[in-house]
Amino acid sequence: NAGVTQTPKFQVLKTGQSMTLQCAQDMNHEYMSWYRQDPGMGLRLIHYSVGAGITDQGEVPNGYNVSRSTTEDFPLRLLSAAPSQTSVYFCASFLTDRDEETQYFGPGTRLLVL
Amino acid sequence: GDSVTQMEGPVTLSEEAFLTINCTYTATGYPSLFWYVQYPGEGLQLLLKATKADDKGSNKGFEATYRKETTSFHLEKGSVQVSDSAVYFCALHLRNSGNTPLVFGKGTRLSVIA
Repeated sequence: NAGVTQTPKFQVLKTGQSMTLQCAQDMNHEYMSWYRQDPGMGLRLIHYSVGAGITDQGEVPNGYNVSRSTTEDFPLRLLSAAPSQTSVYFCASFLTDRDEETQYFGPGTRLLVL
Repeated sequence: GDSVTQMEGPVTLSEEAFLTINCTYTATGYPSLFWYVQYPGEGLQLLLKATKADDKGSNKGFEATYRKETTSFHLEKGSVQVSDSAVYFCALHLRNSGNTPLVFGKGTRLSVIA
């Protein structure tokens, strides 16, 4: 059981470039989400998904796209990178049933946009 | 809307000191409450949780009690160690509201010095 995995660990982009941050989980969780973490800002929710084919916006969705074609994968796309998107990105999956609620986080992707 | 407020950091303590990190919440329903910990360079890990009023969550010497009357979930540890140096996040989830995201506080950085 690998839990939540993210690739890459580090990435440097130039302004205007596009890229996809990968996230996968092998726990069969329906719920997945993407956060960004910036100094002094805590965690801010970008997008989330409550199941395959269903996505919704979080607090800071602009400049990011997501899709959820399978339960396991939830990629985050930066369409045209900007320096303001320099951050650490965390993917998470969430088990919610009557007796158990725990959100599991990936190790993060550190992104620098020049 | 639902929110979590944590004490501002950073908090610096000597080894074996007593730790309290305050957390209060505002919620429209009856939330479950969580403390997550983030060690340097890593993702967030669940530290402890409580799902109803007066429940006490505990793990690794840390404790927090769900206080509905004061809408609080303060984190405590009787004797901190250098290895407890990390960022601590308080969070809530509304169990009966479907698949809604966790709401996080901004985090409190703890540094423990030998």
